[in-house]
Amino acid sequence: QITLKESGPTLVKPTQTLTLTCTFSGFSLTTSGMGVGWIRQPPGKALEWLALIYWDDDERYSPSLKNRLSITKDTSKNQVVLKLTNVDPMDAGTYYCARGRILMFAMDVWGQGITVTVSS
Amino acid sequence: EIVLTQSPATLSLSPGERATLSCGASESVSSSYLAWYQHKPGLPPRVVIYDGSSRATGIPDRFSGGGSRTDFTLTIDRLEPDDFAVYYCQHYGTSITFGQGTRLEIK
Repeated sequence: QITLKESGPTLVKPTQTLTLTCTFSGFSLTTSGMGVGWIRQPPGKALEWLALIYWDDDERYSPSLKNRLSITKDTSKNQVVLKLTNVDPMDAGTYYCARGRILMFAMDVWGQGITVTVSS
Repeated sequence: EIVLTQSPATLSLSPGERATLSCGASESVSSSYLAWYQHKPGLPPRVVIYDGSSRATGIPDRFSGGGSRTDFTLTIDRLEPDDFAVYYCQHYGTSITFGQGTRLEIK
């Protein structure tokens, strides 16, 4: 069974760095074609892709947020970590991690999501 | 960056009817990189169509995807109550983008 689960703070202060961890099981990020990405959904708005990291360490970022984002992986722990710097209230929402597969060019398994509030 | 525009924003239909959702790309893209997701409140999105027209695991054949270049569609035949949700198209390329979504609601 393939699962992904997001963890991290649910409340962060403006200007702080948001650090989220995606812990996954049932697949390996050392397998060719595999990736793990992050997507968020602000309240009442559409899905927004943030970043994705592939098995070969290729990192991809949303052009509009690339200066504030970093994504890393720890294959020994089956974890992918997303950092978003200098948060403000516009960064509030539900953050999802999902498996991305080049074989499908789609995100086929998603975590349940974590809701983040940005407030002082 | 590819921009995806979905229409209509809201589609009101009755169970048993056919739904046709549109997704327009700002430039020509390969259908191989086009996917559709179903999103219900309180749940994560679920891929329904990938590779432009391939159904994901467990998706009934009432769902079909099509189109090419800049115009893509998701068609759902014989709507069932469980089909009513928000649907997003996605371009999964060098960068990834989502459309703004179409809300399929019960009339």
